[in-house]
Amino acid sequence: EVQLVESGGTLVQPGGSLRLSCATSGFIFTSYAMNWVRQTPGMGLQWVATISGREDRTYYADSLRGRFTISRDTSKNMLFLHMSSLRADDTGVYYCAKDNVVTTRPDLAGFDYWGQGALVTVSS
Amino acid sequence: QAVLTQPPSASAAPGQRVTIPCSGGDSNIEINYVYWYQQFPGTAPKLLIQRSSQRPPGVPDRFSGSKSGTSASLVISGLRSEDEANYYCAAWDDSLSGWLFGGGTQVTVL
Repeated sequence: EVQLVESGGTLVQPGGSLRLSCATSGFIFTSYAMNWVRQTPGMGLQWVATISGREDRTYYADSLRGRFTISRDTSKNMLFLHMSSLRADDTGVYYCAKDNVVTTRPDLAGFDYWGQGALVTVSS
Repeated sequence: QAVLTQPPSASAAPGQRVTIPCSGGDSNIEINYVYWYQQFPGTAPKLLIQRSSQRPPGVPDRFSGSKSGTSASLVISGLRSEDEANYYCAAWDDSLSGWLFGGGTQVTVL
């Protein structure tokens, strides 16, 4: 059974940093690209970043590039999102999500498994 | 345009059909697949339609997707009360090298 479990969500002050983790199991972690998607209060979904399965190629939302970094530890089947210079509008629920097919092209895959979400609150 | 536009709400009576449009541009919907997600309050999204018109295993055939030019649509036929949820379209944008999500459409069963 595929499982994605996020952790690390917490209250952080503006300007601070935070690392979210996503523990995965039930699939061959190195074969699939992984993604972070967030949902801000009262708003819809916003894609944050993607890391490819085999080449560790990364993609970022333009508005977040430079502040957010996606990475993975293949020895532990873990996905991470490091966030810095956090602002109030970064507040939201952050989901990790798995691609539904093995492909080197991110446009060919939807996100078939999602974690339960990690709540990040940026406030003083 | 590098944005996906959906109406904020849609509604229909039980058993009827509801159509949710998603409008994009020539760098996203026109040249790439569209994906649809269903989300209930307080839960993670669920993949409903992949590659514009394919249903993943377990998704009822009441849900169908299509794409034409720079627009896509999700149709829910034989609407049920349990279909009340938010529905989001998504597509890869080649000019941004990233995913775009629509703003979401809240479906209400009258």
